[in-house]
Amino acid sequence: EAGVAQSPRYKIIEKRQSVAFWCNPISGHATLYWYQQILGQGPKLLIQFQNNGVVDDSQLPKDRFSAERLKGVDSTLKIQPAKLEDSAVYLCASSLVRGATEAFFGQGTRLTVV
Amino acid sequence: QKEVEQDPGPLSVPEGAIVSLNCTYSNSAFQYFMWYRQYSRKGPELLMYTYSSGNKEDGRFTAQVDKSSKYISLFIRDSQPSDSATYLCAMSALVGAQKLVFGQGTRLTINP
Repeated sequence: EAGVAQSPRYKIIEKRQSVAFWCNPISGHATLYWYQQILGQGPKLLIQFQNNGVVDDSQLPKDRFSAERLKGVDSTLKIQPAKLEDSAVYLCASSLVRGATEAFFGQGTRLTVV
Repeated sequence: QKEVEQDPGPLSVPEGAIVSLNCTYSNSAFQYFMWYRQYSRKGPELLMYTYSSGNKEDGRFTAQVDKSSKYISLFIRDSQPSDSATYLCAMSALVGAQKLVFGQGTRLTINP
């Protein structure tokens, strides 16, 4: 079974630039999550999709972050404009159903904003 | 106050030692309790999960949940250098968004 795919693995941008991350979840998984993990901290949920609808985006900085899940499968997360404090690993995860007894994570995209 | 609190460590123990990792939480709606392991530059992977209170054992790993104290633990017996990683506790509720909330993670090193 293929895992959660994310790209790119690494990205370096200057502040005020824009960046986009892509995630392809495990086939058939209805729930998709985007987490932000700052160095030395646990993952923080940015947004949770159930199929192509948003279930929770309470911690998404909506003035600069946006996300969509096309046709309930792939997802993109965008930051525009980026700030220095956005430097982190962005993790995508998926689970078969909500309740997340097991969420499968991708390897993440490491973003450095300079 | 964070919903989930976890001592970030770092924790360093000799090979073969028993390791105890702990988390406390404040949200009484949490019903699923999980432990994830994260190796450097990798995504977290699920180690164990427990529903509600009680113990669960899987090989060298034992997870305990005490809902009355809002306290969960992971014990690792006969620890191995390959167990060196960051351990993240995570929790979710049965109602609402059922989102997965993580602790800060404890960085563990097992010394040969």
